Amino acid sequence: DVKVTQSSRYLVKRTGEKVFLECVQDMDHENMFWYRQDPGLGLRLIYFSYDVKMKEKGDIPEGYSVSREKKERFSLILESASTNQTSMYLCASSVPGQAGNEQFFGPGTRLTVL
Amino acid sequence: QKEVEQNSGPLSVPEGAIASLNCTYSDRVSQSFFWYRQYSGKSPELIMSIYSNGDKEDGRFTAQLNKASQYVSLLIRDSQPSDSATYLCAVIRGNTPLVFGKGTRLSVIA
Repeated sequence: DVKVTQSSRYLVKRTGEKVFLECVQDMDHENMFWYRQDPGLGLRLIYFSYDVKMKEKGDIPEGYSVSREKKERFSLILESASTNQTSMYLCASSVPGQAGNEQFFGPGTRLTVL
Repeated sequence: QKEVEQNSGPLSVPEGAIASLNCTYSDRVSQSFFWYRQYSGKSPELIMSIYSNGDKEDGRFTAQLNKASQYVSLLIRDSQPSDSATYLCAVIRGNTPLVFGKGTRLSVIA
């Protein structure tokens, strides 16, 4: 079974802090994604990566950056956390070209910025 | 702007009935279609994928795809209270990120 893990289930940070959210997948997937999910707004893509050291902006990259130094790990960085970044953050991975690019999600990190 | 539209619901059905969830998409060249189930406070879980026109059945779930009408649906037979969740439709073209709908909330009443 594909396993996608995220470093924390719940996180509380203060405004202005630098925040790291880690995601690790154990199935050698090339593609990895970061989303945030807010009530009424659905899933919104922040950044994605199709290979090591490669990154692409999604729909809402402002205020975020990412790092992919190893194939299995994709990190989301909030350079200076703000209250409007309070949200559920979801990481996902997939294999291009296989099974129609099915994406598998991690358990999510609920981030609260005070 | 590629869009995936779903009725937000809630869709309420009695236990044992068929629940019908619908989704339309705007990108005519979309190739792959997925249904995810998301329980409150949990992450989305893939339950069905469909790639060609017609029906695809898996247990109590049937996905239906009509590319000419740009329409995909999910039928849940013999609905159970444990099926109560938000169902997300997602579409993709090639090796691009999935485009998700905002989801339909299903409530199965015992």
